[in-house]
Amino acid sequence: SQQGEEDPQALSIQEGENATMNCSYKTSINNLQWYRQNSGRGLVHLILIRSNEREKHSGRLRVTLDTSKKSSSLLITASRAADTASYFCATHTGGGNKLTFGTGTQLKVEL
Amino acid sequence: GAVVSQHPSWVICKSGTSVKIECRSLDFQATTMFWYRQFPKQSLMLMATSNEGSKATYEQGVEKDKFLINHASLTLSTLTVTSAHPEDSSFYICSARESQGVYQETQYFGPGTRLLVL
Repeated sequence: SQQGEEDPQALSIQEGENATMNCSYKTSINNLQWYRQNSGRGLVHLILIRSNEREKHSGRLRVTLDTSKKSSSLLITASRAADTASYFCATHTGGGNKLTFGTGTQLKVEL
Repeated sequence: GAVVSQHPSWVICKSGTSVKIECRSLDFQATTMFWYRQFPKQSLMLMATSNEGSKATYEQGVEKDKFLINHASLTLSTLTVTSAHPEDSSFYICSARESQGVYQETQYFGPGTRLLVL
């Protein structure tokens, strides 16, 4: 299946540290998106990177995309306790405008 | 920003009953809405794509007679879980995509509905 895999599955860091999550996928994509989900809640869209882009920034977020390796990374700098959540990558392919979600990384930022 | 609501947020029902979940785009028109299912500590699995004014497109393995989808307007899609059983207990999340504009590739997610079937 197209579903991406993310690693690590779980990540625990101290406040102020950087957090890096990786996502790998299997087939060609139009774009890749990162979402955050707080426990028991819906998803919040963080950032979208297109297949012809290599890097994108938004505030404390930095996303890279390597289409040759079919992988992406999300870096959260200077993490805060409020960043504690699950983070999912999702790939968008041409047909049907569907998103296929990765397995997710559970991030815990401790004070 | 684009807001999507879901109602109800929580529902507990007896086995055999039907449950309807509503998904509304509050400040934009959504030709397409998506229904996902999420089990605890797992990823989202797409169940179906809901298109305004036409039949929904179901993913492989999802029973269309079990999960009825109606997208009657550009701002409302409903998912009805018919004859619910305990194995249908899950977190159901909808998302909506803007009909036009530069942000069509972005899906806006509702807060989810937690269904518990006893």
